[in-house]
Amino acid sequence: GESVGLHLPTLSVQEGDNSIINCAYSNSASDYFIWYKQESGKGPQFIIDIRSNMDKRQGQRVTVLLNKTVKHLSLQIAATQPGDSAVYFCAEFGVSRQLTFGSGTQLTVLP
Amino acid sequence: ETGVTQSPTHLIKTRGQQVTLRCSSQSGHNTVSWYQQALGQGPQFIFQYYREEENGRGNFPPRFSGLQFPNYSSELNVNALELDDSALYLCASSLDRGLHGYTFGSGTRLTVV
Repeated sequence: GESVGLHLPTLSVQEGDNSIINCAYSNSASDYFIWYKQESGKGPQFIIDIRSNMDKRQGQRVTVLLNKTVKHLSLQIAATQPGDSAVYFCAEFGVSRQLTFGSGTQLTVLP
Repeated sequence: ETGVTQSPTHLIKTRGQQVTLRCSSQSGHNTVSWYQQALGQGPQFIFQYYREEENGRGNFPPRFSGLQFPNYSSELNVNALELDDSALYLCASSLDRGLHGYTFGSGTRLTVV
């Protein structure tokens, strides 16, 4: 079945440093991937997405990399700020046309 | 353009009771999906409605049911509540079954005692 997993449950970074959050997926047929940010008491908030025909996409301070060979996805956040502290989820949109989420990575930005 | 709104925000129910959660989709969206998020975990897909018909279902028992209305708003109904049903229930709306991404509401926190 489809599954999406994350390598690390927690990540702490110094303010101003770059953050990298990793994600592994198992369904090679998935064609759309999304990163979400979830703050306490709120629903997931869209950060950036990428289609399977791309290997890199950049947004404002964020970059998503997709490696289809090893079924790996990463989210890079440049110059991490205190407001970036949250749980980050990758989600996979596959042939079943439903989002499958990983368990999340808690990002903590240290002053 | 309004976002996704869910009601109520918090709810406490007793085991065995029934509950109805509501979701108003984002303007222009015709698809609504429901997710259950247990504490410390990622959201789990319950089901999706597209143009008033169920369009996919996750691994949840039949006591989880739903509706989508002509204005594309939606309800999630859970019968015979169990303690393990305590979770954050998220609604997400999209256009054309998610091909262009999903917008999530803030969720309903359900506690079953």
